[in-house]
Amino acid sequence: DADVTQTPRNRITKTGKRIMLECSQTKGHDRMYWYRQDPGLGLRLIYYSFDVKDINKGEISDGYSVSRQAQAKFSLSLESAIPNQTALYFCATSEGNEQFFGPGTRLTVL
Amino acid sequence: TQLLEQSPQFLSIQEGENLTVYCNSSSVFSSLQWYRQEPGEGPVLLVTVVTGGEVKKLKRLTFQFGDARKDSSLHITAAQPGDTGLYLCAGLSWGKLQFGAGTQVVVTP
Repeated sequence: DADVTQTPRNRITKTGKRIMLECSQTKGHDRMYWYRQDPGLGLRLIYYSFDVKDINKGEISDGYSVSRQAQAKFSLSLESAIPNQTALYFCATSEGNEQFFGPGTRLTVL
Repeated sequence: TQLLEQSPQFLSIQEGENLTVYCNSSSVFSSLQWYRQEPGEGPVLLVTVVTGGEVKKLKRLTFQFGDARKDSSLHITAAQPGDTGLYLCAGLSWGKLQFGAGTQVVVTP
C-alpha cells in the first residue's frame, strides 16, 4: 500500500465550484505539504503544516485553504475554482529533510 | 519568481551517451536536493548535498554542490532508457523546499 495517498486522482469541474482534494499518509510524519505543478514552473508550495495545530501559507496560497484534520490527513480546498487553478496537485510529507510525495491529483477547471 | 534556474529545460539523448543537468541560484541554501519524477507519479528523492564542494555518486549519477552552495549539477554516465524522467532540483531553506522548473530527460534505445 502507498504511504501517501491522494483522492481523487483526476477531477474535472466548472468555474465557481467548491473542490476538496484529500491527502492521507501512513508514514507517521508530522509535516505535510500541498504543492501545485505547472509546466515550466516546477512545484510551488501552496500551504504547509508542521504539526496538527500548525498551518502556514506558502508561496501561492491565494484562492486556496487547508484543513489538518489529524496527523495523517491534510485537505486542500478551492472555495470557488477558476480556470487558472488547472494544474497537477501534490501532497507530501516529511521527516527530516526528505519529502515523500503522493501520486498527484490532476485538476481541470473549465 | 523562480529562485532556482535549471538548464537545459529538455534533453534528448541516445542510450550510452553522457549528460549533465545544471541548477543555479542567486540564493544560498542549507542543502540542495535532486528528485526524479516519472509520468503519473510524484517526485522521488535521489540525493541531498549539504557541504559546499561536495560530490556524491549514486551508481551512474554524480551530483556536485558548488563551493558557495548556490549551484549544483547532475551528471549521468552512459545513460539508459530507465533514466528517462523529469529531474528537479530543490533548495532547502527554513524547513521548506524551493523547486526549480525541472529538466525533462529522454533517453532513447
